[in-house]
Amino acid sequence: TQLLEQSPQFLSIQEGENLTVYCNSSSVFSSLQWYRQEPGEGPVLLVTVVTGGEVKKLKRLTFQFGDARKDSSLHITAAQPGDTGLYLCAGGETSGSRLTFGEGTQLTVNP
Amino acid sequence: GAGVSQSPSNKVTEKGKDVELRCDPISGHTALYWYRQSLGQGLEFLIYFQGNSAPDKSGLPSDRFSAERTGGSVSTLTIQRTQQEDSAVYLCASSLAVVRGSSTDTQYFGPGTRLTVL
Repeated sequence: TQLLEQSPQFLSIQEGENLTVYCNSSSVFSSLQWYRQEPGEGPVLLVTVVTGGEVKKLKRLTFQFGDARKDSSLHITAAQPGDTGLYLCAGGETSGSRLTFGEGTQLTVNP
Repeated sequence: GAGVSQSPSNKVTEKGKDVELRCDPISGHTALYWYRQSLGQGLEFLIYFQGNSAPDKSGLPSDRFSAERTGGSVSTLTIQRTQQEDSAVYLCASSLAVVRGSSTDTQYFGPGTRLTVL
């Protein structure tokens, strides 16, 4: 069974601060996805990374896939209250389309 | 339709009763997934349907759980003899999944059904 560990589990910061969320596994994934989920809604895909060492930027968000495709990070620059939510990483397996999700990081950005 | 829809949005039931949860995927999406999410936590895979292939049921936690997908579209997740530990949000997702096993399928999630077993 492939497992993904996210850290930290909870993060509360002030507006304007930077933060990094980590997603680690002992297993290799064919792809790694990051989702953001707000209360009462389903997760919404932010980005998919598939190549080891890949870096993708989405405005103030920077996503990185580890060289060995076992870990990933999400960095947010100058966080804003609108960034508040549950951030989930999910690994795509080499066979089949099922996703393995991490436990999530609950981010709160205080104004 | 605009997105994945699920019904009901909330379901409260008594222990031992059966419940049915419905998912309407995005039109044209051939793959459909069910996940379960406990409060504030990650998603637990339950079952996956892809076209006419046999579903991947490897995530179902017990034989009280079953799901079907009729006509390649709407899916129903059934939980028999519900237990308190079944309380969670049940999420459905769909994707194009034109090629089975594609690592870049994007899964679009519905808003979920919050199940509470008293």
